[in-house]
Amino acid sequence: DADVTQTPRNRITKTGKRIMLECSQTKGHDRMYWYRQDPGLGLRLIYYSFDVKDINKGEISDGYSVSRQAQAKFSLSLESAIPNQTALYFCATSDLGRAYGYTFGSGTRLTVV
Amino acid sequence: AQSVTQPDIHITVSEGASLELRCNYSYGATPYLFWYVQSPGQGLQLLLKYFSGDTLVQGIKGFEAEFKRSQSSFNLRKPSVHWSDAAEYFCAVGGSNTGKLIFGQGTTLQVKP
Repeated sequence: DADVTQTPRNRITKTGKRIMLECSQTKGHDRMYWYRQDPGLGLRLIYYSFDVKDINKGEISDGYSVSRQAQAKFSLSLESAIPNQTALYFCATSDLGRAYGYTFGSGTRLTVV
Repeated sequence: AQSVTQPDIHITVSEGASLELRCNYSYGATPYLFWYVQSPGQGLQLLLKYFSGDTLVQGIKGFEAEFKRSQSSFNLRKPSVHWSDAAEYFCAVGGSNTGKLIFGQGTTLQVKP
């Protein structure tokens, strides 16, 4: 099994629908992140969490919300999806105490029509 | 403001030729620097990282990068490119006190036979 698992891998949804992207990890890391990737823009941080009770907005949090259900689970929700939220979404984890590298999931490709 | 710039959006090199991917950063504190690679349909894999010490760092797959503080650069190099190196490459910067990474826009590498 992958260290960081994202579900679903692909999703097509309609404008206005609520959708949840899920991320679970077996790394035992405290820190979890959600990024979106758009061509030519690289990865931009949506939300991040340093532990279960700590949730922080990233640079592009508008239109998104998150839930840290447990140390191993971090979900991203689009409350009312719009077409410009079509992107590739990545979950990542890190352990600052162990050389500060991210472990990424394989990504969720979301299309909003 | 903290930022990462990868000036080259797309680079094409012949197999066996040398490679240099450029990365410039703006960061107020001592930076932690990273290079990640993303193969098509995959997540991001860490190639190498720099925290301190020797400014020339070695990574996986034969890659190396050199940190030049005076130029705010962290360029990625490989002496001889293989067709399997075709991918998108991301430079990222973070700090010991933030736990977050800021990514560049990415450079797509194409390898000609």
